[in-house]
Amino acid sequence: GAVVSQHPSWVICKSGTSVKIECRSLDFQATTMFWYRQFPKQSLMLMATSNEGSKATYEQGVEKDKFLINHASLTLSTLTVTSAHPEDSSFYICSARTSGRRETQYFGPGTRLLVL
Amino acid sequence: QKEVEQDPGPLSVPEGAIVSLNCTYSNSAFQYFMWYRQYSRKGPELLMYTYSSGNKEDGRFTAQVDKSSKYISLFIRDSQPSDSATYLCAMSAGAGNNRKLIWGLGTSLAVNP
Repeated sequence: GAVVSQHPSWVICKSGTSVKIECRSLDFQATTMFWYRQFPKQSLMLMATSNEGSKATYEQGVEKDKFLINHASLTLSTLTVTSAHPEDSSFYICSARTSGRRETQYFGPGTRLLVL
Repeated sequence: QKEVEQDPGPLSVPEGAIVSLNCTYSNSAFQYFMWYRQYSRKGPELLMYTYSSGNKEDGRFTAQVDKSSKYISLFIRDSQPSDSATYLCAMSAGAGNNRKLIWGLGTSLAVNP
């Protein structure tokens, strides 16, 4: 299957700082990438859909000024959590969608964010 | 009513048992059906992908889609302790660049040695 990497795998930061998470599709080009958030023992919550070269589409209730998404190339999307607060602590997972006849999403390993 | 319903379990079975995991859905436009496995603190891993109705087999895993009943299943034969994980179903209608997967809550499975 296709490989998606995510970096960093975990990060601890102080309240008020910004954190950038990178998502890369290693062996395929992804026009579309997705950012999810997952709380313990809960399902994935889609935050935004990122299309290469255009603005991300955010789900209802997700602050676009707080969660900045950039998809500058077909293999890289970044999520920046600006002015992080303890309530932003969560597991963030990206996925990249393959193109072609059989489209599907492949997920990164996730980034665990802890804001103190 | 949620678009996708999945019993969260937990489901506990002995090693070697046949496991049956299911999801129901309400949107008849769904055409793409997937099963993902997620280990604790890891990203989901694609297990099975099915387009439209029918069965698909891959090793110990079999995915079934019954569009008339809006019901999908994942069977695991000869279950192993390493199969212990959360299994999520996902599906999409497939149209437009922003089409997205609709997820079930996930079923937690424990296979006991």
